Amino acid sequence: GQQVMQIPQYQHVQEGEDFTTYCNSSTTLSNIQWYKQRPGGHPVFLIQLVKSGEVKKQKRLTFQFGEAKKNSSLHITATQTTDVGTYFCAGPSAGGTSYGKLTFGQGTILTVHP
Amino acid sequence: NAGVTQTPKFRVLKTGQSMTLLCAQDMNHEYMYWYRQDPGMGLRLIHYSVGEGTTAKGEVPDGYNVSRLKKQNFLLGLESAAPSQTSVYFCASRKQGARSYEQYFGPGTRLTVT
Repeated sequence: GQQVMQIPQYQHVQEGEDFTTYCNSSTTLSNIQWYKQRPGGHPVFLIQLVKSGEVKKQKRLTFQFGEAKKNSSLHITATQTTDVGTYFCAGPSAGGTSYGKLTFGQGTILTVHP
Repeated sequence: NAGVTQTPKFRVLKTGQSMTLLCAQDMNHEYMYWYRQDPGMGLRLIHYSVGEGTTAKGEVPDGYNVSRLKKQNFLLGLESAAPSQTSVYFCASRKQGARSYEQYFGPGTRLTVT
């Protein structure tokens, strides 16, 4: 079945360092989404990428969608303690596109040391 | 707008007991989903619904049942709880036909089965 893999599983950084998480799908995706979950909280939508090679920025966050639409990355420049949390990528589940079902990666847990 | 709400927030069950988790959304969304979140495994889809009176199985449906008698409510039932069902359960919703695949999540229910 479809798999969405995310690496690394954990990342510890000093405040001010950069951070990147990578997402790879076993199938070509029509789009990919990124969510953030604060400790003890629920996933919150960050962004959706649709086009091959697309790059989008949200302040210090940069999102990329691969040319083959099978991989994506999230890069945070100069991390802050407010960036702490788990970052998930998610793509439409194979065979379920019309119902909006998503397959999530395992997530990358980011901790930031002040 | 309360968005997506879930009750209860926490629950401890003994093996074999039953319970129902309630999800409610006030955004008039057609699609609703139940996920479970376990460490290192991301979010896995249990069941979903594309409209009032309809439900379908997701990736990990065994041991769970669902009902969607009203558009705004999606219930998840555990008939005979097992320790393997200890998890955090999230409900999410999405508007049919929306260009974005964004799902709106509830705050979660933390369930422990002893």
